[in-house]
Parts: sequence; structure tokens; C-alpha cells
Amino acid sequence: AQSVTQLDSHVSVSEGTPVLLRCNYSSSYSPSLFWYVQHPNKGLQLLLKYTSAATLVKGINGFEAEFKKSETSFHLTKPSAHMSDAAEYFCVVSDRRLTGGGNKLTFGTGTQLKVEL
Amino acid sequence: EPEVTQTPSHQVTQMGQEVILRCVPISNHLYFYWYRQILGQKVEFLVSFYNNEISEKSEIFDDQFSVERPDGSNFTLKIRSTKLEDSAMYFCASREQGSHEQYFGPGTRLTVT
Repeated sequence: AQSVTQLDSHVSVSEGTPVLLRCNYSSSYSPSLFWYVQHPNKGLQLLLKYTSAATLVKGINGFEAEFKKSETSFHLTKPSAHMSDAAEYFCVVSDRRLTGGGNKLTFGTGTQLKVEL
Repeated sequence: EPEVTQTPSHQVTQMGQEVILRCVPISNHLYFYWYRQILGQKVEFLVSFYNNEISEKSEIFDDQFSVERPDGSNFTLKIRSTKLEDSAMYFCASREQGSHEQYFGPGTRLTVT
């Protein structure tokens, strides 16, 4: 079984300040972890992924996340928020084993990021 | 850059009617998925499909739902008799062999009245 907890449903930051979106996961197997972003009325875009290599993962648009097994966390950070970062962010877990046809994604409830001037 | 496409972008139907949602996955991908997102809720897995058969399905995916890959490019989700609670955004995704990354389409918003 696998699950994801996003600790904040809403986060508000000022433009130019750091962003921290928190995520904790639970998985019976070694997990793959992802962050997806959804802008209003748009689809889901992959920001970054952790599969098994470096624990600090860099993604698009300056975002990064660190896999911490001891804390079962995969928090998303960005040093300086931009107005265009305002969107909903989903932390997602999957079984790292590439089983035959499975590997469903389990989504968190999402964090709405608001960026103010 | 290759992308997953979905049609229609918005479908309105009456309760009890059948709907077919269409997806064109990325051409060299072999694994296909449907997810849905009810307004204000999280994205939920419905079904995965590989080698012309269902690999895994959730408890949501009951007998009213079916999937098909009728040709080499399309992947469809059929809801036989829609209910009000089927109103949601439906996302198709695909993945290539050996990769963990699923690529999502823009979604079809289904409204059941």
C-alpha cells in the first residue's frame, strides 16, 4: 500500500521569497516520488522525480526536492517564488519496481500555492 | 515534443447516457492509464492497461467502466450509464517501457446533468 500526505492545503508567499511545500509518504516498497503542478484549467505537468539516484532532485523552473528516507519526506522547495508559480502542486508516490503494467500513481490532496506581490 | 492528447476537452451528457472519452498516448509508450479528479478533490487512479489488457483497476472502476485500445493509436474510456457522481476531470496518461514517468494529457471535463 502507498499513500501521500501533503501537510498544507494552502501556502501563501511573497514574490521573491522561498517556497516550501511539504510532503510525507508511506510505501510498502521502495518508492518513486514525483511532484506535479497543475495551473488553472490546465493538465498535470511533471516538475521533478525521484527514482533511485541522487536524493536531491532538481526539476524545472528552479524547483528542487530532497528525498529523506529516515523522515519519509519529499518536500518541494524553490529559493525565490515568481508570480507564475501560483498553481496547485501534487506530491505523488509510485512503486519503484517496474511491474508488468502497474505502477499506478497515488496522489496527495494538493497544495494551492499563492504568490503575492 | 510528443504529448498525450485527449478529446473532447469538455463533454456534457445526461444521466444514464453512455460516453466515450478518447486519448491518444505518446506513440512509443506501452503503458496507459486513466485517472479522474472530482472538483475540489485529489486525483484518483482508475485503471492501468498494458499489452491489450487491464493490469490493475481501482474500486471506482466498476462494471460501468471499460477501456479499449481499438487501434494502434487510440485509448478509450467508456462509461456505460453515467451517474451524476461521474462528473469529474478525466486524465489519460502513458508511460514508456523502463521509465517511471507518466505523461498526462490535458484532461476531459465530464459533466453529467
